[in-house]
Amino acid sequence: AQTVTQSQPEMSVQEAETVTLSCTYDTSESDYYLFWYKQPPSRQMILVIRQEAYKQQNATENRFSVNFQKAAKSFSLKISDSQLGDAAMYFCAYRSQNSGGSNYKLTFGKGTLLTVNP
Amino acid sequence: DAGVTQSPTHLIKTRGQQVTLRCSPISGHKSVSWYQQVLGQGPQFIFQYYEKEERGRGNFPDRFSARQFPNYSSELNVNALLLGDSALYLCASSLGGVNEQFFGPGTRLTVL
Repeated sequence: AQTVTQSQPEMSVQEAETVTLSCTYDTSESDYYLFWYKQPPSRQMILVIRQEAYKQQNATENRFSVNFQKAAKSFSLKISDSQLGDAAMYFCAYRSQNSGGSNYKLTFGKGTLLTVNP
Repeated sequence: DAGVTQSPTHLIKTRGQQVTLRCSPISGHKSVSWYQQVLGQGPQFIFQYYEKEERGRGNFPDRFSARQFPNYSSELNVNALLLGDSALYLCASSLGGVNEQFFGPGTRLTVL
């Protein structure tokens, strides 16, 4: 079974600064997807960024980028120019990429609570 | 277009009761998944349905059941509620397969 570990229960960053959230995972599969989700106090889970394991290039979405180290099974999220609206719980998640109609469940870490200080 | 909707928003039940949670997927989405998120934890997978068939079940007791209707909406039922069932229940819909899952706002269930 796959597991996802987020070792930082809480992080804080000053507005406009950069912060990196850590995530490690364990899997025996070679093809999979990794995700970072944001869950603000409103509870709506929002996809921030996704990475396909077969792609060597790290994904980027505006101020959000990842550092994907497949051999080390590490998947960190970097938030640049942090904004007050970035404050939320951030979850790292794993999903298998097996075919044949199997279930595509997401396996989540426990989350990192990010505080942005003005 | 409307996103994933869930009802009710909040629910309070007592131990031993039964509860039904509802989810309407994004139009055109045929897959619905259910997750349980206990306070302070990440969501845990409960069920996935695709084209009205169960495609996956997480490590939850048989008190948990679900179904998907011809219009692709879904219900999650929990019988004989326990205090430990208190959680945020999230529904996510997708086109299926490896497509992105879009989450609803959740139903907050409190069991007293």
